[in-house]
Amino acid sequence: GAGVSQSPSNKVTEKGKDVELRCDPISGHTALYWYRQSLGQGLEFLIYFQGNSAPDKSGLPSDRFSAERTGGSVSTLTIQRTQQEDSAVYLCASSLTAGPYTEAFFGQGTRLTVV
Amino acid sequence: DQQVKQNSPSLSVQEGRISILNCDYTNSMFDYFLWYKKYPAEGPTFLISISSIKDKNEDGRFTVFLNKSAKHLSLHIVPSQPGDSAVYFCAASKGSGNTGKLIFGQGTTLQVKP
Repeated sequence: GAGVSQSPSNKVTEKGKDVELRCDPISGHTALYWYRQSLGQGLEFLIYFQGNSAPDKSGLPSDRFSAERTGGSVSTLTIQRTQQEDSAVYLCASSLTAGPYTEAFFGQGTRLTVV
Repeated sequence: DQQVKQNSPSLSVQEGRISILNCDYTNSMFDYFLWYKKYPAEGPTFLISISSIKDKNEDGRFTVFLNKSAKHLSLHIVPSQPGDSAVYFCAASKGSGNTGKLIFGQGTTLQVKP
């Protein structure tokens, strides 16, 4: 597609349930990022995939969070046993990264509300 | 550990005047810096970037200045327009070594008044 696509755009879930958030990056982009923005906060880094390298998971807040990227394209962020503090906008971005000095393009985000 | 900081949560300027948004960083290994703009209910969009080998980059009404010794960068918008009202994020990365992970600041909400 023309841009980064995220689904669903909105998700309301009950505390304790698992959720899956999907990201379709721009075709040909080798790098993919997940960030989240809690209410009134900045962009918090979660995880970064770069080509076939091991992902940088240093931003995942707990072991309830995991992400995978299949075939170097689509990525899924999974949150198990959701908690109210997981409520946030989850943003995915991709970049070409033929070299490191490239900008990332963001999707519109998934607004997750845990009730 | 907040490696990228935007200490002003908000800024209000009059249309036609200059907007100056500031950003500080602590990690001297950062060598690539970007500014993003975010409207409500949308993802951030790339605005302008600068490599650490430069101290200024200009694109139309937008200019980014980098002061490496002070670990400080700023975004100047002149003249400011009401459509510039948005949240502005600065970001930094360690480009060398191909670790392109972007670290963002907390954002500054800019309001341009007509």
